[in-house]
Amino acid sequence: DTAVSQTPKYLVTQMGNDKSIKCEQNLGHDTMYWYKQDSKKFLKIMFSYNNKELIINETVPNRFSPKSPDKAHLNLHINSLELGDSAVYFCAAGNTGELFFGEGSRLTVL
Amino acid sequence: SQKIEQNSEALNIQEGKTATLTCNYTNYSPAYLQWYRQDPGRGPVFLLLIRENEKEKRKERLKVTFDTTLKQSLFHITASQPADSATYLCALERSGGYQKVTFGTGTKLQVIP
Repeated sequence: DTAVSQTPKYLVTQMGNDKSIKCEQNLGHDTMYWYKQDSKKFLKIMFSYNNKELIINETVPNRFSPKSPDKAHLNLHINSLELGDSAVYFCAAGNTGELFFGEGSRLTVL
Repeated sequence: SQKIEQNSEALNIQEGKTATLTCNYTNYSPAYLQWYRQDPGRGPVFLLLIRENEKEKRKERLKVTFDTTLKQSLFHITASQPADSATYLCALERSGGYQKVTFGTGTKLQVIP
């Protein structure tokens, strides 16, 4: 069983479209995260949710809207996609001290 | 502003030698410092954690040191193997239970047979 799973693994779309990435964890952790990894491989935190409550929002444009329907799920919806949104998006789960990452969702905006 | 820098973008070493990777930070008071490994096309995988009151931690061929005065962590892989080739990321979690884990820039390690 995969600890943190995200879908889809690949997304190719046109500028201006809306897309969603889903994430699920079966580890029972309270905190889930979204990170963005750009072409230079820098991993930057976007959002963190603790038990369905938003606790970190790192000045991400409001075109990005996370949603946590329950403790095990954290989805990311992106409106009006731009070229600069092309990146790999990683979901992670963990309590203090160790994060478990999904395999990433590579988004390409054309 | 807060910065976490890993000194080398890339490091090449000969198989069997010890690889030493550096992580420096400024304007930060971390409670925990973590090291992760990332292979191409995969998510980061947790390796080791060291707390602010610990100087050194070991796990098999891995050793991490943490100097809060120098604001630096060193990550050592002894008897390195080609299978150790990957990108290694340090990450800091600040005090106060805020649970924000911030990553460094990463070092790509290549172990040459």
